[in-house]
Amino acid sequence: GNSVTQMEGPVTLSEEAFLTINCTYTATGYPSLFWYVQYPGEGLQLLLKATKADDKGSNKGFEATYRKETTSFHLEKGSVQVSDSAVYFCALSTSGTYKYIFGTGTRLKVLA
Amino acid sequence: DADVTQTPRNRITKTGKRIMLECSQTKGHDRMYWYRQDPGLGLRLIYYSFDVKDINKGEISDGYSVSRQAQAKFSLSLESAIPNQTALYFCATSDHGLAGGPTSRTGELFFGEGSRLTVL
Repeated sequence: GNSVTQMEGPVTLSEEAFLTINCTYTATGYPSLFWYVQYPGEGLQLLLKATKADDKGSNKGFEATYRKETTSFHLEKGSVQVSDSAVYFCALSTSGTYKYIFGTGTRLKVLA
Repeated sequence: DADVTQTPRNRITKTGKRIMLECSQTKGHDRMYWYRQDPGLGLRLIYYSFDVKDINKGEISDGYSVSRQAQAKFSLSLESAIPNQTALYFCATSDHGLAGGPTSRTGELFFGEGSRLTVL
């Protein structure tokens, strides 16, 4: 079946450090891939997405590239800020079903 | 006002009680979902509905039921709450189809702010 695996947290970084959160997936066909972010006390919101191989999603300084050959969609940011502290979820949706599979989430804490 | 509104935001109840969580949306989306979030388990799908006449079970539907009262309203019920249903519940909509309008296929989910349920 379809699944998403992301690195366990928590991840603790100093401000301006480089961030990578790993995400790999298993899916039949050609899924769309997403990163959602959940700030404390809030619901999830879309951070970025990619719908086909080699697409790069980007938003708010975050980037992720859809790598079909390695079935990965790693999230990166060159310089994190305290305001980036949140839980990050990798997810996929499969065409034709429009159902979503989420990873377990990675908590990021950025220290000033 | 939020586009996806959940009520109540917090609820404490006792084992065996009936609980209803309500969700309403102003986004005009046909597709609505209920998810449950537990620490270390991510989000798991309870039920989803692609239109008013379409209700589908998700991966963890046992112990839950839903009602799609209107295009904009989707309620989740726990007929007899038990402690392991203590969790954070999210309603979401998706823009895979816009009722009465052009189809948007961006695939994004739009979440409510969550309903925290504690069953004692």
